[in-house]
Amino acid sequence: DGGITQSPKYLFRKEGQNVTLSCEQNLNHDAMYWYRQDPGQGLRLIYYSQIVNDFQKGDIAEGYSVSREKKESFPLTVTSAQKNPTAFYLCASSLRQLTEQYFGPGTRLTVT
Amino acid sequence: AQSVAQPEDQVNVAEGNPLTVKCTYSVSGNPYLFWYVQYPNRGLQFLLKYITGDNLVKGSYGFEAEFNKSQTSFHLKKPSALVSDSALYFCAVRSGQTGANNLFFGTGTRLTVIP
Repeated sequence: DGGITQSPKYLFRKEGQNVTLSCEQNLNHDAMYWYRQDPGQGLRLIYYSQIVNDFQKGDIAEGYSVSREKKESFPLTVTSAQKNPTAFYLCASSLRQLTEQYFGPGTRLTVT
Repeated sequence: AQSVAQPEDQVNVAEGNPLTVKCTYSVSGNPYLFWYVQYPNRGLQFLLKYITGDNLVKGSYGFEAEFNKSQTSFHLKKPSALVSDSALYFCAVRSGQTGANNLFFGTGTRLTVIP
């Protein structure tokens, strides 16, 4: 997990509330990613960013938003529009778009 | 369309025996292939990758993987399993084509090494 931090480790929210998950990296990587992991489904890409002030939707972007104001930070907001937000969220970064990704320790979000 | 298949949800192997975790892929153009391992409630750790070159790739913790283009496979192997190898393993693929952005993951294989 070294070099990428995610906070908090566990997060609990009531339905209808927006929540922001933090992701910071000190690896000087250009690209950053957010994934969602559900049991038996592997990882699914939510958003990715190749450079500061630029990001693209992944496969399941609906109900989520991101920003990339600094190279080292890529926060993810889970909005009230996300119909099933309870999941394990993983942030990753890579030196360039096509190199291996390095993952943070994850945030487990529970919405009730 | 790009995809990854890990046909076994669960693999059990005795400690000291060789292990294999299977992965097949479908991708446009040349594949970039990766293996990751995940321990409970942790992020994924990078094990090894194939981009080009020798079909047998060696990675962390004694793991290796063999790229087989004709069978579109990239099976993960280790000659002698340890109890500490018990974890969830993910295979991932992306296209090497310009403009290809996404990394596609398999659904994971849970490896249990029995003492």
